[in-house]
Amino acid sequence: AQKVTQAQTEISVVEKEDVTLDCVYETRDTTYYLFWYKQPPSGELVFLIRRNSFDEQNEISGRYSWNFQKSTSSFNFTITASQVVDSAVYFCALSAPAGSARQLTFGSGTQLTVLP
Amino acid sequence: GAGVSQSPSNKVTEKGKDVELRCDPISGHTALYWYRQSLGQGLEFLIYFQGNSAPDKSGLPSDRFSAERTGGSVSTLTIQRTQQEDSAVYLCASSLRTSGYQETQYFGPGTRLLVL
Repeated sequence: AQKVTQAQTEISVVEKEDVTLDCVYETRDTTYYLFWYKQPPSGELVFLIRRNSFDEQNEISGRYSWNFQKSTSSFNFTITASQVVDSAVYFCALSAPAGSARQLTFGSGTQLTVLP
Repeated sequence: GAGVSQSPSNKVTEKGKDVELRCDPISGHTALYWYRQSLGQGLEFLIYFQGNSAPDKSGLPSDRFSAERTGGSVSTLTIQRTQQEDSAVYLCASSLRTSGYQETQYFGPGTRLLVL
């Protein structure tokens, strides 16, 4: 079985602070994929990043960065110099090639509020 | 290009009525997924299609739920004899394909269903 845990239910920061969203996953598959999605108040899930299990390189995209560590089964997401527009629910998700299914297993999400 | 579209955006129905939710995937995407997002259950996978076939229906919560996809494009999720616990946001996603490589799933805006 696959599982994604986002232990932080809600985080509140003041604008310009850095914030890290934690994600811990469980899978028995050796090949798997990890994702982060953002869900702003409008409700639509917006894709942010995909990583596969063979690529442990950290990635930076503007103010966003991701730290993938297989040793701790974690895929954490950091927003540098947060802005009010970053306020949203962030979901971490896992997909493994178990059988023929490719569905995403989502964590419960972290509600991030950035205060002005 | 156009993203995933879903209709209606909101649906209010009475308990016991049937509802149909529609999803139009990104042009050229062969894989299509349905998820449900509710307060108590988070984001749950329901069903996915590769082309017109649905290899995995195990996520459908009951036999009142069914889905079809015709012409490898538009999909309809039907809920018969709706119950109040069916109230949720139904999200559709599409990806280029599923076999051999995990493609990114892109989500539509969802249909918010309220069963009175």
